[in-house]
Amino acid sequence: KAGVTQTPRYLIKTRGQQVTLSCSPISGHRSVSWYQQTPGQGLQFLFEYFSETQRNKGNFPGRFSGRQFSNSRSEMNVSTLELGDSALYLCASSLEGGGREAFFGQGTRLTVV
Amino acid sequence: KNQVEQSPQSLIILEGKNCTLQCNYTVSPFSNLRWYKQDTGRGPVSLTIMTFSENTKSNGRYTATLDADTKQSSLHITASQLSDSASYICVVSLKRGSGYALNFGKGTSLLVTP
Repeated sequence: KAGVTQTPRYLIKTRGQQVTLSCSPISGHRSVSWYQQTPGQGLQFLFEYFSETQRNKGNFPGRFSGRQFSNSRSEMNVSTLELGDSALYLCASSLEGGGREAFFGQGTRLTVV
Repeated sequence: KNQVEQSPQSLIILEGKNCTLQCNYTVSPFSNLRWYKQDTGRGPVSLTIMTFSENTKSNGRYTATLDADTKQSSLHITASQLSDSASYICVVSLKRGSGYALNFGKGTSLLVTP
């Protein structure tokens, strides 16, 4: 069974640009959550999608958005990039959400210059 | 203030030795408490997951304990190996709205030396 796949693995963008990250969950999983990981703050919850609906949202500005498609694949978009957005972005999939075990992808390393 | 605090921040031990990592949390009530292992540059991998009513859960050389009264959890690693060098993250899952929110500790960085 294939694991969680995130693309791209690495990305370099300049300030002010926007970026879209992709996450393909484990087959059959309907919940996809996104996290930002930085050395100073650790892992922080961005949002969770379940059956194409955002079910939960963390404390991030509106520049961070996402969506989920009917095949459960999810995308995360960050607009007007700032230097502080440089981080490892992880997605996790689970059958039904955070009450169940979540499986993480390898992450997308975003560097904003 | 973070609702999940881990200690120590970093730890160095000799190969073959045992160690214990601590996690204190304030979120309550919670759905489950998890320990993850994260190798550098990779995504976290689940080690154990415990519900409120469970006191201990083992996964090979990893044993997690939970004391819901004191809101403390520990992860004990037995007979450490070089491959145990990683960051260990304590995560508390909390019911929120129609879904769940995961509260993460900042992790303990473990280095196992020969």
